[in-house]
Amino acid sequence: GNSVTQMEGPVTLSEEAFLTINCTYTATGYPSLFWYVQYPGEGLQLLLKATKADDKGSNKGFEATYRKETTSFHLEKGSVQVSDSAVYFCALSDFAGGTSYGKLTFGQGTILTVHP
Amino acid sequence: DTEVTQTPKHLVMGMTNKKSLKCEQHMGHRAMYWYKQKAKKPPELMFVYSYEKLSINESVPSRFSPECPNSSLLNLHLHALQPEDSALYLCASSQELRSPSYEQYFGPGTRLTVT
Repeated sequence: GNSVTQMEGPVTLSEEAFLTINCTYTATGYPSLFWYVQYPGEGLQLLLKATKADDKGSNKGFEATYRKETTSFHLEKGSVQVSDSAVYFCALSDFAGGTSYGKLTFGQGTILTVHP
Repeated sequence: DTEVTQTPKHLVMGMTNKKSLKCEQHMGHRAMYWYKQKAKKPPELMFVYSYEKLSINESVPSRFSPECPNSSLLNLHLHALQPEDSALYLCASSQELRSPSYEQYFGPGTRLTVT
């Protein structure tokens, strides 16, 4: 079946530090990949996505590249801000279990805290 | 407009109460979802509607009853819940089900407490 593994957190950084959150996946088909962010007390927001190998998704200074050869989709940001403190979920969407729809499979989430 | 709205924001209910959660989207999406999220965990899929028909029920107990009155609205009716059902309930929508590349847009959630 499909699965997503994220680096364990929590991750604590100082403002303007470089961020990497690792994400690897296992999929039976050719999935689409997503990063979602959840700020405290809120729902999930789509941060970025990639739908085929070597695609780079980017948004708000965050980037992730779909690497089929390493089955990875690592999230990076060059300079984090206090306002980036949140929980980050890596997810894949694929036809799973014989279903005719793209079911989202989430990683466990990584808590990021950025200090001033 | 990429907004999914949910009401109420917070709900406290007793185990004998009946209540409903509401979700609305105006993006023309034809797939809508209910998720349950416990603290510090990823969302768990409960139900999926496609073109106003229930497509997927992830073995959810019958005390949760979904309804899709039209293409913009999704309800979740709650009855005889247990304290372990306390969680954040998230609604989401996507363009349709047929392609995995369609991203899901999530609402802000309803924080449910069962006493």
